[in-house]
Amino acid sequence: NAGVTQTPKFRVLKTGQSMTLLCAQDMNHEYMYWYRQDPGMGLRLIHYSVGEGTTAKGEVPDGYNVSRLKKQNFLLGLESAAPSQTSVYFCASSYRVSDRGQETQYFGPGTRLLVL
Amino acid sequence: KNQVGQSPQSLIILEGKNCTLQCNYTVSPFSNLRWYKQDTGRGPVSLTIMTFSENTKSNGRYTATLDADTKQSSLHITASQLSDSASYICVASGSARQLTFGSGTQLTVLP
Repeated sequence: NAGVTQTPKFRVLKTGQSMTLLCAQDMNHEYMYWYRQDPGMGLRLIHYSVGEGTTAKGEVPDGYNVSRLKKQNFLLGLESAAPSQTSVYFCASSYRVSDRGQETQYFGPGTRLLVL
Repeated sequence: KNQVGQSPQSLIILEGKNCTLQCNYTVSPFSNLRWYKQDTGRGPVSLTIMTFSENTKSNGRYTATLDADTKQSSLHITASQLSDSASYICVASGSARQLTFGSGTQLTVLP
């Protein structure tokens, strides 16, 4: 099993350009998440999905859109990139969450994005 | 606002030594406390998950403790190895989809 994979590993964008980050998991997980990690800060949730065809906003959703057309894939889109979106983006997945939220989240290797 | 604080920010120890990392949180409601290990350039990997009713949980040389009354947790690493060099992240969960991440403690183990 590959676990959680992310494409691309690194990307440089100019302000105003658009791009899509791809996350794929082969563990048949229901839940998928997109986080961003900035220096000196903890990971922050951008968007998440509780199943195929569903998405929801997290803590910092502005400037991002997501889609979950297939259970194993979760796409994060930047329609018009801004320098403030320079960050490392992590995708994660987990099984269906219990009431107490004790599921383990499995993270991908990350995508480093630089917006000039 | 939910917050997680970690100390120290960075720590350097010699191989074979023990160390303890600290975490405090203000998350309400509180459900569980997690510790993750993040190697440089990699995604976080789960070490332990403790519910509010658990006081301690071990994973090999890693032992986490939780005091839900004082809202504090610690991660103790025994007999450190070079491969323990990483960032250790404390995460407090209030509900199924509300995880508050700390900024991490950067541990460096020297030979």
